[in-house]
Amino acid sequence: GENVEQHPSTLSVQEGDSAVIKCTYSDSASNYFPWYKQELGKGPQLIIDIRSNVGEKKDQRIAVTLNKTAKHFSLHITETQPEDSAVYFCAACAFNDYKLSFGAGTTVTVRA
Amino acid sequence: DSGVTQTPKHLITATGQRVTLRCSPRSGDLSVYWYQQSLDQGLQFLIQYYNGEERAKGNILERFSAQQFPDLHSELNLSSLELGDSALYFCASSEGADYNSPLHFGNGTRLTVT
Repeated sequence: GENVEQHPSTLSVQEGDSAVIKCTYSDSASNYFPWYKQELGKGPQLIIDIRSNVGEKKDQRIAVTLNKTAKHFSLHITETQPEDSAVYFCAACAFNDYKLSFGAGTTVTVRA
Repeated sequence: DSGVTQTPKHLITATGQRVTLRCSPRSGDLSVYWYQQSLDQGLQFLIQYYNGEERAKGNILERFSAQQFPDLHSELNLSSLELGDSALYFCASSEGADYNSPLHFGNGTRLTVT
């Protein structure tokens, strides 16, 4: 099955700086890569996703890049704000599969 | 607010007991997924239902079972509970049967087994 590794496990950044989280996956059939943000006491919330026919996708301060050859994808948050502090999860899934395989999560802390 | 409702928010019970967790999906969503989140295992897929039928199974123990009712709400039943079953249990829903339609998670049920 799919194995997703996520780094780093914790990330502390100064407000206004950028944050980058990286994930690798093992199954070359995976073609859907969502990112979730989980705030304390809440469920994971989808913030952005990318499919394998696209190399990069951007939504305001958030961007995701995908390198299918190297089997890795990354989340980039620019101009970080205190409300970006949360746990971020990457995930991967193949088209003919039904379950998302999640990374272990990255705890992001934005220092004011 | 994701539109996915889970009850109860917290559940404390003893080993050997049985509990039922409930999930109401977003309006219009036909798929319901159950995930378990623990500190050492992360988010683990348990089971998926689509329009009342079981669609996929993950790492779900035989002591656990689930169903999706005609009104599309779902229940996860956990029996013969063990200390290691203490975790957050999340329900998610999506419009379709696969990941062409994104998952939306509820806020979870925190289960504590003492």
